Amino acid sequence: DQQVKQNSPSLSVQEGRISILNCDYTNSMFDYFLWYKKYPAEGPTFLISISSIKDKNEDGRFTVFLNKSAKHLSLHIVPSQPGDSAVYFCAATQTYGGATNKLIFGTGTLLAVQP
Amino acid sequence: EAGVAQSPRYKIIEKRQSVAFWCNPISGHATLYWYQQILGQGPKLLIQFQNNGVVDDSQLPKDRFSAERLKGVDSTLKIQPAKLEDSAVYLCASSLGTGTGGMGQYFGPGTRLTVL
Repeated sequence: DQQVKQNSPSLSVQEGRISILNCDYTNSMFDYFLWYKKYPAEGPTFLISISSIKDKNEDGRFTVFLNKSAKHLSLHIVPSQPGDSAVYFCAATQTYGGATNKLIFGTGTLLAVQP
Repeated sequence: EAGVAQSPRYKIIEKRQSVAFWCNPISGHATLYWYQQILGQGPKLLIQFQNNGVVDDSQLPKDRFSAERLKGVDSTLKIQPAKLEDSAVYLCASSLGTGTGGMGQYFGPGTRLTVL
């Protein structure tokens, strides 16, 4: 049962353009969502997050949008840079009710930014 | 600040052999996680420790996998005996506590296990 889905295994964009990575989830109990970035032979690193009480969170070139009714979130990178080339994982968790904040990850999207 | 350390970085074994992975979390981090990442999939939590106690091991195949965190610092994950489907990257992560919504989880570089 894949509770967090990233349906695009890969994405290629030109440097300077916008990258949009998508993520869907099925569990309505999730109340916190995160994006992680992973380079080859390294562990994932936290990028940006959003609480379910918000619909947008921005940090520099990165913006995450959350549509709770559609159970969908997206990560926008503007402008895209070659150094952004990596695998991006969407993750979700339930933080209330004494939950352990276990992260449920999607399968990842490989972003390639072409110079 | 030193990050999460893991060793070895790579390991190749034959099926039915045993293997152990070691993790040293960031100093002061009470919570330690072991994840399994199979090729083409996202990381899956195997076990979560709070200090030296187990918080969640619901997805740990306990017939062959074991983990311990003696003294609440370093941790070891063992597989005995290994199967072909155990080929994966094993990631260790740590955080100050559990109430961070995942934002405070810092990952190590992982150990890539190949079972032949």
